[in-house]
Amino acid sequence: AQSVTQLGSHVSVSEGALVLLRCNYSSSVPPYLFWYVQYPNQGLQLLLKYTTGATLVKGINGFEAEFKKSETSFHLTKPSAHMSDAAEYFCASGGSYIPTFGRGTSLIVHP
Amino acid sequence: NAGVTQTPKFQVLKTGQSMTLQCAQDMNHNSMYWYRQDPGMGLRLIYYSASEGTTDKGEVPNGYNVSRLNKREFSLRLESAAPSQTSVYFCASSLRGTSGSYSSYNEQFFGPGTRLTVL
Repeated sequence: AQSVTQLGSHVSVSEGALVLLRCNYSSSVPPYLFWYVQYPNQGLQLLLKYTTGATLVKGINGFEAEFKKSETSFHLTKPSAHMSDAAEYFCASGGSYIPTFGRGTSLIVHP
Repeated sequence: NAGVTQTPKFQVLKTGQSMTLQCAQDMNHNSMYWYRQDPGMGLRLIYYSASEGTTDKGEVPNGYNVSRLNKREFSLRLESAAPSQTSVYFCASSLRGTSGSYSSYNEQFFGPGTRLTVL
């Protein structure tokens, strides 16, 4: 069975600082991995995805993630946080009918 | 394209009342899902439908029923609402269907959510 673990339910950064949100997965088959973002009072929207090919994936709003098979990780990064990045972020593993979601990480951005 | 739409956006019920949450997608997707989101619990799958005419239970199906009315629409019904069903409900859809191979990844598209309060 697939599982996804997000380390840290809350991450706090200052505006302009590096954003790092951690995600580890366990899967018996090659995973398809996603990061979704949820802004307050909205639904989830896709930030980026890894299916096959290049392990460094670029998404919207300057975010990127690197698939590391040896570490079973898919961490999300952004070089410089903006106030508008404050949101809930979900890592997910796909490939079957039922995607597996992590519990989410709330990103707090301080001025 | 509207994507995934949900109605209503907000609802307050009394314990024991019933209601149906509506969801529709205009992307010709095969699979549709209902989730609930509670603080600290992430997203929990209630029911899903891998294709028109099929539905299956997810992680937390008790107290809910679903209907896949056609390829576009997937409704969630609470027959006798309880305070424990106070939550935000999200509908989602994906292209993946029963004829898909394992190589078909399962990117989901979400609706804006329904905030339900049961008193």
